[in-house]
Amino acid sequence: SQTIHQWPATLVQPVGSPLSLECTVEGTSNPNLYWYRQAAGRGLQLLFYSVGIGQISSEVPQNLSASRPQDRQFILSSKKLLLSDSGFYLCAWRTAKNTEAFFGQGTRLTVV
Amino acid sequence: KQEVTQIPAALSVPEGENLVLNCSFTDSAIYNLQWFRQDPGKGLTSLLLIQSSQREQTSGRLNASLDKSSGRSTLYIAASQPGDSATYLCAAFDNYGQNFVFGPGTRLSVLP
Repeated sequence: SQTIHQWPATLVQPVGSPLSLECTVEGTSNPNLYWYRQAAGRGLQLLFYSVGIGQISSEVPQNLSASRPQDRQFILSSKKLLLSDSGFYLCAWRTAKNTEAFFGQGTRLTVV
Repeated sequence: KQEVTQIPAALSVPEGENLVLNCSFTDSAIYNLQWFRQDPGKGLTSLLLIQSSQREQTSGRLNASLDKSSGRSTLYIAASQPGDSATYLCAAFDNYGQNFVFGPGTRLSVLP
């Protein structure tokens, strides 16, 4: 069966520090991968999605970047965190346009 | 650009009641629509996926319907239980890209 792993579960980082959040999927190949952010009291905002290794699409200009070094690995990064980067980050995957999407358990990031 | 709305924003009902959550989308050219549940501080759990060619899907006490022509989906919960308390989100996967757009969610409280 397929599973998705996200880590860490919580993270407190100072302003200006770098960030690396990792997401991996098991039990499937060539998934579409997504990073979402959920800010306090707000809805889910799509940040990045990827349809294959090295293929990244960005939905909104921001302080973050994403990479997909392997088929089932998706990484969210920042060189210098801002206070506004605080939020709940969720990774998701699906295999094709008409299939279900599945989410990880999320990373709670607090920038102080 | 696809926009998804959900009403009501919050709902509080006594245990045992049947209830309906509403989801509206502006662009009827969708591939599918998916309903999720989110418990506080947790990731999203998939509840039901409705393909664009389907009218409804059922899982246990949950029934989701889709009317593409009117841009609406409803999630019906029968015989609600306190364990159903959570935020319910709908997401539309559109024809123009690889993305799914989320509604803001309905926060449900089922009182014992």
